[in-house]
Amino acid sequence: GEDVEQSLFLSVREGDSSVINCTYTDSSSTYLYWYKQEPGAGLQLLTYIFSNMDMKQDQRLTVLLNKKDKHLSLRIADTQTGDSAIYFCAESIQIGSSNTGKLIFGQGTTLQVKP
Amino acid sequence: EPEVTQTPSHQVTQMGQEVILRCVPISNHLYFYWYRQILGQKVEFLVSFYNNEISEKSEIFDDQFSVERPDGSNFTLKIRSTKLEDSAMYFCASSREGPTRKEQFFGPGTRLTVL
Repeated sequence: GEDVEQSLFLSVREGDSSVINCTYTDSSSTYLYWYKQEPGAGLQLLTYIFSNMDMKQDQRLTVLLNKKDKHLSLRIADTQTGDSAIYFCAESIQIGSSNTGKLIFGQGTTLQVKP
Repeated sequence: EPEVTQTPSHQVTQMGQEVILRCVPISNHLYFYWYRQILGQKVEFLVSFYNNEISEKSEIFDDQFSVERPDGSNFTLKIRSTKLEDSAMYFCASSREGPTRKEQFFGPGTRLTVL
């Protein structure tokens, strides 16, 4: 079945790098996503990676995908206090020739950045 | 920057009552979604909607739920007879047609409390 798992909590010091990990089970995933949720706010799309890529970099964010191990990570360089939030990993599923758009989410990792 | 909006931000209702949650997707988007997040649990897919019909729905989306695009701008989720277990944060999302439809943009959510 479709399942996405994340560790629940990560604490880092301001200026350090943060690495948030995610594992998924469905090998037919087409896109994998990282969303950020700040308190009281909705889900903000941070970045995504297509399943045939290994890495994607976008400013301070680096996404690594190990398709063999079904492991996805998000690295935030020079983590700031404003990065404190819940980070959700999600996958979209390919069924036949269509991508339904349905997203399967992990439970979210709470990132705490200490000054 | 265009964004998905949702109203109300918080809805309190009595068990057995009908509620309608409203969403205004981004104006040039054609794919629409509802998700929900019960407190402490994962964000769960409910339904996707395209071209005035449901394209996919989850097991959660039973006969008490319905969706509608009553005009060119609103997308609604109706829960006919609310139960205590329907208490959750409900998120609307939208995406464009074509190669970029993989990017789903989420609204801030409606917190539904069923008493």
